[in-house]
Amino acid sequence: SQQGEEDPQALSIQEGENATMNCSYKTSINNLQWYRQNSGRGLVHLILIRSNEREKHSGRLRVTLDTSKKSSSLLITASRAADTASYFCATAGGSARQLTFGSGTQLTVLP
Amino acid sequence: DGGITQSPKYLFRKEGQNVTLSCEQNLNHDAMYWYRQDPGQGLRLIYYSQIVNDFQKGDIAEGYSVSREKKESFPLTVTSAQKNPTAFYLCASSPDRMEKLFFGSGTQLSVL
Repeated sequence: SQQGEEDPQALSIQEGENATMNCSYKTSINNLQWYRQNSGRGLVHLILIRSNEREKHSGRLRVTLDTSKKSSSLLITASRAADTASYFCATAGGSARQLTFGSGTQLTVLP
Repeated sequence: DGGITQSPKYLFRKEGQNVTLSCEQNLNHDAMYWYRQDPGQGLRLIYYSQIVNDFQKGDIAEGYSVSREKKESFPLTVTSAQKNPTAFYLCASSPDRMEKLFFGSGTQLSVL
């Protein structure tokens, strides 16, 4: 089942601008993760935020988590053409021994 | 060089044929997973294994089978019962804490 839903489905921005993607989920979670996928390739883990954290940074990435709204956002600052990819959120919750992925946001950064 | 290796990169299946996708990891991870990805969509879990000789069905296990005879290997067989097998298949592994998945580069399966 698709736990997370990303918004928007597609986003196109100019190089140097910031990109914000949102993820909503339905049930309680232990952690929420963001992954990146280049076309035709596997996913790469970007960042993890735990349910007791509200914000986390890694390089040009900033992730926020609002457990009361069951939502998360991923901000990529000063985007580059190389950031063009699909971005997925994934949730790990309760006793589930698996991650549940959302449907993804396709980000295009124009040079 | 540690990682997950999926083979082949492209695979074609004829009507009524079973095909097997290979997944090998040298990360010493206990858990391994198979996901299916359809165009423009997210990942759906087919099967997962937390330990050798044990595996569980995911959300879309019908028409698929797996084995976990070795820690390093988790092959996926797409059987003739899977009527719509065309998709991108991704294998992943993780240490047993659900905090990070490591993915292979995927296998694109198409029907002839």
